Amino acid sequence: DAGITQSPRHKVTETGTPVTLRCHQTENHRYMYWYRQDPGHGLRLIHYSYGVKDTDKGEVSDGYSVSRSKTEDFLLTLESATSSQTSVYFCAISPRDYGYTFGSGTRLTVV
Amino acid sequence: GIQVEQSPPDLILQEGANSTLRCNFSDSVNNLQWFHQNPWGQLINLFYIPSGTKQNGRLSATTVATERYSLLYISSSQTTDSGVYFCAVEVTGANSKLTFGKGITLSVRP
Repeated sequence: DAGITQSPRHKVTETGTPVTLRCHQTENHRYMYWYRQDPGHGLRLIHYSYGVKDTDKGEVSDGYSVSRSKTEDFLLTLESATSSQTSVYFCAISPRDYGYTFGSGTRLTVV
Repeated sequence: GIQVEQSPPDLILQEGANSTLRCNFSDSVNNLQWFHQNPWGQLINLFYIPSGTKQNGRLSATTVATERYSLLYISSSQTTDSGVYFCAVEVTGANSKLTFGKGITLSVRP
């Protein structure tokens, strides 16, 4: 399909454990994004990347870190998962001045 | 930061009806996109429309950037149109970061 995959699709983890979500693209797009979606809040930007090793914070970045060591992969890490980070996480890709393509999402539950 | 307001928040239609969804934004933008999130959670890009009018089948969109609003038109609605419609904008100079509205929930009844 659109050349973007997220893994895992579902994950249950315990409070205090680190968690890494992966976004992989085959489109060679420069821009990659991590959003979270929560009821009543829509989608909120966590972090984004505008190139290999070039990343910046979004509006809800506390408790999250990212890495992009190659064009195709953008990793989101929850350093010490908390229940407030239970959410659906979406990755998106985009060339400049064009529409976003979203992955299928990762449903994360922190217990 | 920029405010993105969508209206109405909820909409119920009978199959075959037409509808207009509105997105207002509070600052100058150089990127505006409409998305549909289907009942299975998948987000689909409908339009990239920073200005002007575009059409794709039964859907069309118009953005009037100078007046800071965009409209999404759905004609002859079908049950498969159900879901949540999001408007998202990028403030001029914001390095391609989109800010999303809270969405409009559309239910189309057979």
